[in-house]
Amino acid sequence: QTVVTQEPSFSVSPGGTVTLTCGLSSGSVSTGYYPSWYQQTPGQAPRTLIYNTNTRSSGVPDRFSGSILGNKAALTITGAQADDESDYYCVLYMGSGIWVFGGGTKLTVL
Amino acid sequence: EVQLLESGGGLVQPGGSLRLSCAASGFTFSSYGMSWVRQAPGKGLEWVSEISGSGGSTYYADSVKGRFTISRDNSKNTLYLQMNSLRAEDTAAYYCAKRGQPSGFVYFDCWGQGTLVTVSS
Repeated sequence: QTVVTQEPSFSVSPGGTVTLTCGLSSGSVSTGYYPSWYQQTPGQAPRTLIYNTNTRSSGVPDRFSGSILGNKAALTITGAQADDESDYYCVLYMGSGIWVFGGGTKLTVL
Repeated sequence: EVQLLESGGGLVQPGGSLRLSCAASGFTFSSYGMSWVRQAPGKGLEWVSEISGSGGSTYYADSVKGRFTISRDNSKNTLYLQMNSLRAEDTAAYYCAKRGQPSGFVYFDCWGQGTLVTVSS
């Protein structure tokens, strides 16, 4: 059973920088898992932020960036704003049509 | 503009069935794999099922395998999810999601607004 791990919660000050991570219960996340990141506010559908590890989706501000840090995928928000307060999900593609989402990180901006 | 519009959710008793639909527009539907992703109340996202653009290949999460069936009608630009033997733990908002590219990079680039399924007696 593959488990994708994310921090349950994180807090950042306005204007600050925060890095959220996406790991595997067993093994390392690599670009071959095509890590992607999604932002979701309560009651809304997810919004695509980052795909293919580090490619920003259309219209996403450049304060959002993706990378591989060590053995995890990472989403970094530089210069956090109040409306970045959301839930953030990563998903890894396991191949053969199978996807596994992380449990999500609730980001608070205060 | 790419749009995905789910329908078919509602209240169903445990053991019952429901069929969800997702009407797609704004892109060449048959060229893209499509998935269903669900979210239980207050919980995270869970991938449920995927179907290839042609409909020839289907994939399921272990939690729904043998109970749910994904299908598509490319002539109607519509994705379906037939859900049988429903359980309380299937209660969730169900989203359809479009793959970002026909092939190559693997991600979801468009999501519907979701349809709520409640399994309760």
